[in-house]
Amino acid sequence: KQEVTQIPAALSVPEGENLVLNCSFTDSAIYNLQWFRQDPGKGLTSLLLIQSSQREQTSGRLNASLDKSSGRSTLYIAASQPGDSATYLCAVFMDSNYQLIWGAGTKLIIKP
Amino acid sequence: GAVVSQHPSWVICKSGTSVKIECRSLDFQATTMFWYRQFPKQSLMLMATSNEGSKATYEQGVEKDKFLINHASLTLSTLTVTSAHPEDSSFYICSASSSGRGTYEQYFGPGTRLTVT
Repeated sequence: KQEVTQIPAALSVPEGENLVLNCSFTDSAIYNLQWFRQDPGKGLTSLLLIQSSQREQTSGRLNASLDKSSGRSTLYIAASQPGDSATYLCAVFMDSNYQLIWGAGTKLIIKP
Repeated sequence: GAVVSQHPSWVICKSGTSVKIECRSLDFQATTMFWYRQFPKQSLMLMATSNEGSKATYEQGVEKDKFLINHASLTLSTLTVTSAHPEDSSFYICSASSSGRGTYEQYFGPGTRLTVT
């Protein structure tokens, strides 16, 4: 059974710092991995999607990497801003049952 | 492209009543739609998966007679919470995917906050 773990559960850093969020999964037979952002009381915003054959994806200040064999992904945020404060969720898609398996999220606070 | 809407964005209802939540794919045909619920400070929990024109497949522990899902067209799925109880209060999120896109990517709606009093 696939399990997705996100560490840390919460993170508070000063504005301007570069930071890394971690996601690990137990079953490497994934189809793709996505990182999402969720603001309090709001829906999900898809940030980056990495196919199983890819190593990384970049969008602006965000860079996501994927090491499928070791069951790990990282989300790198450069030059953090207070507007980056949100909960970041990692999810893997299993084509064995067409389901997204979710991590519990990392709550990020960027202090001005 | 790939926009999914939900209506209403929030709803308050009394115990014992039923409430319907709509999920629409605005610019693509959604062959599959998913319904999730999210309790405060927790991650998303998949409730059911529905394919257009077929009965929904419910996850273990989700009562199909309580959470009625209809996916009658390629752009609309509805979730009806019947005989609502306060413990049904939650954030309900739908997502949609299209087999034609070939990526299995799910596009998420903005969510519906349900409060049962």
